[in-house]
Amino acid sequence: EIVLTQSPATLSLSPGERATLSCRASQSVSNYLAWYQQKPGQAPRLLIYDASYRATGIPARFSGSGSGTDFTLTISSLEPEDFAVYYCQQHSNWPLTFGGGTKVDIK
Amino acid sequence: EVQLLESGGGLVQPGGSLRLSCAASGFTFSSCAMTWVRQAPGKGLEWVSTISDSGGSTYYADSVKGRFTISRDNSKNTLYLQMNSLRAEDTAEYYCAKTVVVGACYFDRWGQGTLVSVSS
Repeated sequence: EIVLTQSPATLSLSPGERATLSCRASQSVSNYLAWYQQKPGQAPRLLIYDASYRATGIPARFSGSGSGTDFTLTISSLEPEDFAVYYCQQHSNWPLTFGGGTKVDIK
Repeated sequence: EVQLLESGGGLVQPGGSLRLSCAASGFTFSSCAMTWVRQAPGKGLEWVSTISDSGGSTYYADSVKGRFTISRDNSKNTLYLQMNSLRAEDTAEYYCAKTVVVGACYFDRWGQGTLVSVSS
């Protein structure tokens, strides 16, 4: 099973700041990595798939990069609606696995 | 517009059974793989099971293998999860998700979830 480790667990930032979230895989997943956003009381929403492709309707301030074992989700300038929990998920191998999440909260 | 509406959650005793349903609309259900993902209270996301578009292939997490069965009825645009021998650790919000098969797969639309509580 591929283990995904997300860091930091919590990121405290102000609106307008840049957010950089990390996801590290225990073995290579090539570029088969997705990112999701989840707000309290809501279902997750797909942001990024195949490491760097934005899903439909996702603003350009969200970008993904990386390959192999190291991946990054960057939010270029935080909007108030971006404060949420972010999860990575590998879609390379079964069983599918998620990282433990990074909470982006307001400083 | 894609819509996924889960139902069937509730309170059940340990060892009991429950069947979840997910009614899909707004896309060609019979052409899409589908998945159940769960989230224990205050915890992260856990993949549970995936079924191919035809229903001919199914995949399960080890934690539910042999106890849960995923199925679908393409004539009714509905996904199911039959859960038997339920345990306290199965308590979670259960989401159905429209699934894109690339590599293994990822999830491009999610329902709002249905809560399953296993307790005596």
